[in-house]
Amino acid sequence: QAVLTQPSSLSASPGASASLTCTLRSGINVGTYRIYWYQQKPGSPPQYLLRYKSDSDKNQGSGVPSRFSGSKDASANAGILLISGLQSEDEADYYCTIWHNGAWVFGGGTKLTVL
Amino acid sequence: EVQLVESGGGLVQPGGSLRLSCTASGFTFSKSGMNWVRQHPGKGLEWVSGINPSDGGTYYADSAKGRFTISRDNSKNTLFLQMNSLRADDTAIYYCANVHDGYWGQGTLVTVSS
Repeated sequence: QAVLTQPSSLSASPGASASLTCTLRSGINVGTYRIYWYQQKPGSPPQYLLRYKSDSDKNQGSGVPSRFSGSKDASANAGILLISGLQSEDEADYYCTIWHNGAWVFGGGTKLTVL
Repeated sequence: EVQLVESGGGLVQPGGSLRLSCTASGFTFSKSGMNWVRQHPGKGLEWVSGINPSDGGTYYADSAKGRFTISRDNSKNTLFLQMNSLRADDTAIYYCANVHDGYWGQGTLVTVSS
């Protein structure tokens, strides 16, 4: 079982909200980790969005709109990236990552389609 | 402005070697953990290796252990990745990155093919 699991794809309409999940493997407690989120568009490197551990330990990337926010669902052992007021430019691949056992571990990515 | 500029990629035969470099500016490189992250064509992100800012402690993915060596020259704000015994499945874009602070280069393409 992968350390981080992300749904491979998600579709949502312009103006709606999209909730992207990053589920940690059983036995790895989401509460102890900072979850980092990246956006990647074709032909470009990943762009940092934000990191979230708790409401008192979080960071928004420079220039990243506030409609991108992070949270956790402890019951699901998952990190969440919420994108509100979806725009066509939000169509991209989204990756979560954590620092785990001396390595950066990336989720497989979610392809977000805005249509 | 933060900049990370990779170089050294290219076409190499299986079993060959390449040395990637990454020159950093716009942030305190000497105090930053740095990493190499790769992306196979059409695939997701895969962390390859990382190095601590001060003590030079190094970390490797299983796919890189024994073949790749990460190093840094803080006096020149430069990160390196020496890649030996290259295989076809090492073909990827290699990014230099400070994953924690969100700084990434544009990447350099490594193609391993005969």
